[in-house]
Amino acid sequence: EAQVTQNPRYLITVTGKKLTVTCSQNMNHEYMSWYRQDPGLGLRQIYYSMNVEVTDKGDVPEGYKVSRKEKRNFPLILESPSPNQTSLYFCASSLYGIRGPQHFGDGTRLSIL
Amino acid sequence: AQKITQTQPGMFVQEKEAVTLDCTYDTSDPSYGLFWYKQPSSGEMIFLIYQGSYDQQNATEGRYSLNFQKARKSANLVISASQLGDSAMYFCAMREGSGIQGAQKLVFGQGTRLTINP
Repeated sequence: EAQVTQNPRYLITVTGKKLTVTCSQNMNHEYMSWYRQDPGLGLRQIYYSMNVEVTDKGDVPEGYKVSRKEKRNFPLILESPSPNQTSLYFCASSLYGIRGPQHFGDGTRLSIL
Repeated sequence: AQKITQTQPGMFVQEKEAVTLDCTYDTSDPSYGLFWYKQPSSGEMIFLIYQGSYDQQNATEGRYSLNFQKARKSANLVISASQLGDSAMYFCAMREGSGIQGAQKLVFGQGTRLTINP
């Protein structure tokens, strides 16, 4: 089954404790992206990647890191999480870059205390 | 400045009626594309429809159609014969640029929560 898999689905943690949210897709898509969703703000793009070893900032990259060492994986790293990073996070991938529809993961709800 | 504006935070519609969800956008790029996504209460994001700025005809996908008015910079989603399962959050999104070079960003609106009443 074609899918984008995020882990964990839920996480409660404390300020400053490094965490990684994994994202993996099995569709051989070149484009992958991370978004955060906050009430009243819609989805905002954090980082995206056009291909292996190619990443670029979205609109809200501060406090986040990403890497793309393999085509299928695009982890989101919070080196020193803070409460303002409490949010619902989505990973997405697409075959035709930004020109095509994106396939979204089920989301990861992060709470930073 | 907000690039995508959805002015209806919530809408209530009777089952089987048609519904229009508004979306206006702001860009100076001649090449852009507009998407609509649906987010049910279960949380997943579902792609509905896409319209490119150079497309001559309005996009349609089953009960969904996109009323694209380029001069007004609007890309409203029309759902015909609404069903209870259409109750969800709906997001309009825009990509700018040709996508071949340059930024590959996607910008979303704030969303409209649609409730279909039986």
